[in-house]
Amino acid sequence: GAVVSQHPSWVICKSGTSVKIECRSLDFQATTMFWYRQFPKQSLMLMATSNEGSKATYEQGVEKDKFLINHASLTLSTLTVTSAHPEDSSFYICSAQGAGGGISEKLFFGSGTQLSVL
Amino acid sequence: GNSVTQMEGPVTLSEEAFLTINCTYTATGYPSLFWYVQYPGEGLQLLLKATKADDKGSNKGFEATYRKETTSFHLEKGSVQVSDSAVYFCALVSAGNQFYFGTGTSLTVIP
Repeated sequence: GAVVSQHPSWVICKSGTSVKIECRSLDFQATTMFWYRQFPKQSLMLMATSNEGSKATYEQGVEKDKFLINHASLTLSTLTVTSAHPEDSSFYICSAQGAGGGISEKLFFGSGTQLSVL
Repeated sequence: GNSVTQMEGPVTLSEEAFLTINCTYTATGYPSLFWYVQYPGEGLQLLLKATKADDKGSNKGFEATYRKETTSFHLEKGSVQVSDSAVYFCALVSAGNQFYFGTGTSLTVIP
């Protein structure tokens, strides 16, 4: 099946620094990519939806100036956590939507990034 | 609103034991229901799905039945294997094509 590559798998950073997470669709073009976040013992929550070449749409309560999303090509979306703080420590996962089929058949997930902010 | 409630883990079973992971949902309208599995180091993969009431999704020996009367979609497998060790996510898709996930349940199967 289609593969979505997400890097890094885990990252530790100091408070106040910025962290970039990459999400690549390896064998298909993804017009839409989604970014999710999961805090311990909570559900995966959608943060934002990004469409290639346009601004991302953020869910309520997600700060767009803090979580910068760039979807510059049909195979790459990046999430940058700017001025990270310990409360941003979480598991971040991306998904990429290909063409054709139903919503579940064309949606593929990365393996996730565990971010720890000290 | 839409939400998914999933039994908390972790769950540890011996090989060949029976598995049940409970999942209930709240939704407006008529959602589609899914189970995703995440093996260590990999992305979430679709395990099975059901799109309407009384549908049964099945794959790799796993089954789940869409129960509208109890708003449930429990995952079952009659005889688990070590290779089934993973995190399992229950999810629904609403009319707006947005996914809502549960918290995930970690399963470890020991030989």
